[in-house]
Amino acid sequence: GAVVSQHPSWVICKSGTSVKIECRSLDFQATTMFWYRQFPKQSLMLMATSNEGSKATYEQGVEKDKFLINHASLTLSTLTVTSAHPEDSSFYICSASVGLTEAFFGQGTRLTVV
Amino acid sequence: GENVGLHLPTLSVQEGDNSIINCAYSNSASDYFIWYKQESGKGPQFIIDIRSNMDKRQGQRVTVLLNKTVKHLSLQIAATQPGDSAVYFCAEIGGSNYKLTFGKGTLLTVNP
Repeated sequence: GAVVSQHPSWVICKSGTSVKIECRSLDFQATTMFWYRQFPKQSLMLMATSNEGSKATYEQGVEKDKFLINHASLTLSTLTVTSAHPEDSSFYICSASVGLTEAFFGQGTRLTVV
Repeated sequence: GENVGLHLPTLSVQEGDNSIINCAYSNSASDYFIWYKQESGKGPQFIIDIRSNMDKRQGQRVTVLLNKTVKHLSLQIAATQPGDSAVYFCAEIGGSNYKLTFGKGTLLTVNP
């Protein structure tokens, strides 16, 4: 099956710094990539939808200036958490979509802000 | 989100038993449903899917049932194994934007 690689798998950063998470589709071109956040024992919450070459569409309540998304190519999307705070600590997961219904997930990034 | 839960339902079964995990969805316009398995610290893994024009689909050891009348989805796992222990999420796609919306999830624990 299609492989989506997410990097890094985990990261610890100091409060106030920025962290970049990469999401790559390794063997296919993804027209759309999605970014999710998951808190412990909760479901995945969609943060934003990203299409190559255009601005991301953010879900209600997600700050676009804090969670910067860049989708520069059909195989790479990045999520930058700017000026991170402890409450941003979470599990961030990306998925890449082929067509309208197939979505392949990355392995997730555990962000801890200290 | 519509189906985001704050508490994770749990299901505990004995190895070899059959498991049934249930999910309620709220968007009657959804026309495609997927079950995912998520192990601790990992991303969701596709298990099985079903389109709204079907009410049952079988895979290897898994069966998905869809009841559109009551907007209910279930995942049946036959002869549950310890390796099946994980959180299981249903997800739906539909409407005008084709976004994937996840249900609240169920933690399945298989006792040896």
